[in-house]
Amino acid sequence: ETGVTQTPRHLVMGMTNKKSLKCEQHLGHNAMYWYKQSAKKPLELMFVYSLEERVENNSVPSRFSPECPNSSHLFLHLHTLQPEDSALYLCASSQDLSSRGWTEAFFGQGTRLTVV
Amino acid sequence: DQQVKQNSPSLSVQEGRISILNCDYTNSMFDYFLWYKKYPAEGPTFLISISSIKDKNEDGRFTVFLNKSAKHLSLHIVPSQPGDSAVYFCAATFSGNTPLVFGKGTRLSVIA
Repeated sequence: ETGVTQTPRHLVMGMTNKKSLKCEQHLGHNAMYWYKQSAKKPLELMFVYSLEERVENNSVPSRFSPECPNSSHLFLHLHTLQPEDSALYLCASSQDLSSRGWTEAFFGQGTRLTVV
Repeated sequence: DQQVKQNSPSLSVQEGRISILNCDYTNSMFDYFLWYKKYPAEGPTFLISISSIKDKNEDGRFTVFLNKSAKHLSLHIVPSQPGDSAVYFCAATFSGNTPLVFGKGTRLSVIA
């Protein structure tokens, strides 16, 4: 049990579908993140939320839409995705965004997304 | 441009021997480095870290070495165990509110 739970674990969706990934943390952390892990590429930071406010968006296409209703929950809404968006999407959380808060991130197990 | 590079995608080591995983970085602003370990179907878990004011940090079987002049760090695992088989990610950051920058990972296989 990592304290960070992602659902679903696997998702197959068509390019015209709309789906959402969910992340929940029970660690009392104030910062949450979405990362994308593609084959043969470094982990890519997508979005950062601190105290439910988005603080970073690393040039992610608008077909990915994050939502953070409270400090324990983070969503990634997906619509009109492309096959190249198929990847493992990892959620992480950390105590805060202080200088070392980034480094103490706890990761969820990820959602394996396949776009067909 | 990749700021954190792990040039070996895979490594096989016999049980009991030393595993050495390498990582190079290009951004001289980085001052804190970490290694994460990832098993299949799980998220990365933090393993060990080192600050740029040190050149070595040891935790049990795991030791991280930092060579700032070469912008190179390495993770040594001694002795290697089959349970160490996983993908190892090197990550870096610098003081302030900056996110981790990860390498592509190296898959370690420890053969019994």
